[in-house]
Amino acid sequence: DAMVIQNPRYQVTQFGKPVTLSCSQTLNHNVMYWYQQKSSQAPKLLFHYYDKDFNNEADTPDNFQSRRPNTSFCFLDIRSPGLGDAAMYLCATSRDLLSETQYFGPGTRLLVL
Amino acid sequence: KQEVTQIPAALSVPEGENLVLNCSFTDSAIYNLQWFRQDPGKGLTSLLLIQSSQREQTSGRLNASLDKSSGRSTLYIAASQPGDSATYLCAVRIGSNTGKLIFGQGTTLQVKP
Repeated sequence: DAMVIQNPRYQVTQFGKPVTLSCSQTLNHNVMYWYQQKSSQAPKLLFHYYDKDFNNEADTPDNFQSRRPNTSFCFLDIRSPGLGDAAMYLCATSRDLLSETQYFGPGTRLLVL
Repeated sequence: KQEVTQIPAALSVPEGENLVLNCSFTDSAIYNLQWFRQDPGKGLTSLLLIQSSQREQTSGRLNASLDKSSGRSTLYIAASQPGDSATYLCAVRIGSNTGKLIFGQGTTLQVKP
């Protein structure tokens, strides 16, 4: 049974055209994370939600936004995608912030044309 | 600034070999360390999590050790199989209020039949 679901699995967008990636979870976890993983690079945390509290990483570009309308869903919005934003976007959840395993979804691969 | 390094970047071994993957981190003030597996084009699967107070964790043919003082962790895979072929990433959790994971770039393992 899938616990962290990401849709779509593949997304193609045009340069500058806004795009939204979706993540949902059935674990009822408090924390949801978004990571960006460029080709052959380490995943890099963009931001996370602890319940309704949003925490942005200092070096996350303003072009990246997120919404969490309820416990189960979290969205990643890219307002004006550039070619450099092509990457795998990984959603993860954890029950709490400390000493917990993070559960990852399968990822959404974004291609920017 | 915490940095995580994994050596080697790639490894190819014949089936049946025991092998060791290495992970080093620059700041010993970590909460835990986690090893993940990533298959091509897929998300991350958690393999083992070691709390900062622990020295090792075992799951089946996998054993992970942690030496905080020297900033090192190893993942030992016994009797490797072709199905073990994947990229293995280690990540350290830092910070008391973010649960942020800092990842290494991974070791890509190929186990040849």
